[in-house]
Amino acid sequence: DTAVSQTPKYLVTQMGNDKSIKCEQNLGHDTMYWYKQDSKKFLKIMFSYNNKELIINETVPNRFSPKSPDKAHLNLHINSLELGDSAVYFCASSQESLALETQYFGPGTRLLVL
Amino acid sequence: ENQVEHSPHFLGPQQGDVASMSCTYSVSRFNNLQWYRQNTGMGPKHLLSMYSAGYEKQKGRLNATLLKNGSSLYITAVQPEDSATYFCASGGSYIPTFGRGTSLIVHP
Repeated sequence: DTAVSQTPKYLVTQMGNDKSIKCEQNLGHDTMYWYKQDSKKFLKIMFSYNNKELIINETVPNRFSPKSPDKAHLNLHINSLELGDSAVYFCASSQESLALETQYFGPGTRLLVL
Repeated sequence: ENQVEHSPHFLGPQQGDVASMSCTYSVSRFNNLQWYRQNTGMGPKHLLSMYSAGYEKQKGRLNATLLKNGSSLYITAVQPEDSATYFCASGGSYIPTFGRGTSLIVHP
């Protein structure tokens, strides 16, 4: 059984387009995250949600908007895509958010903006 | 700003050798330090967590030590399947901070 799943796995699009990435976890965790990994493998947190509420927003452009319809899902919508948005985006979940808990990562979505 | 730095960036031991890597961290509120492994094309996978300086943990061929402001990870008798990128992560102010990792390629 897949613990954290993301769709799509690959996303190739033109500058200026709007796109969404979906994430689902079946671990029963309360907290979900979005990370961005650049070409040098630097993994940086973007957002964190706990029980559908935003608790971390790490200076991400407001073109990025996360949405959590329920605690098992955290989607990421990106408006007006730019070349610099090309990266791998990982969804993750953990049991709690009050401390650094073990993060369970999805397989990633490889976004290429042309 | 919270930071985690890895050393070395790349490691290329021969099969059977010991691979040694480390990280240093500077975070505003330390909670614990974690090591993750990322295989090509996949998401990082948690290996182990450590909570206070002096803490040592062994998991199979992995041996990790938590130092003040850093951690060392040793992999004994490395195998080609150990080839991956190894990340250190620390929690400052409950914001997970990852480094860029050490890329390990084991030569047969």
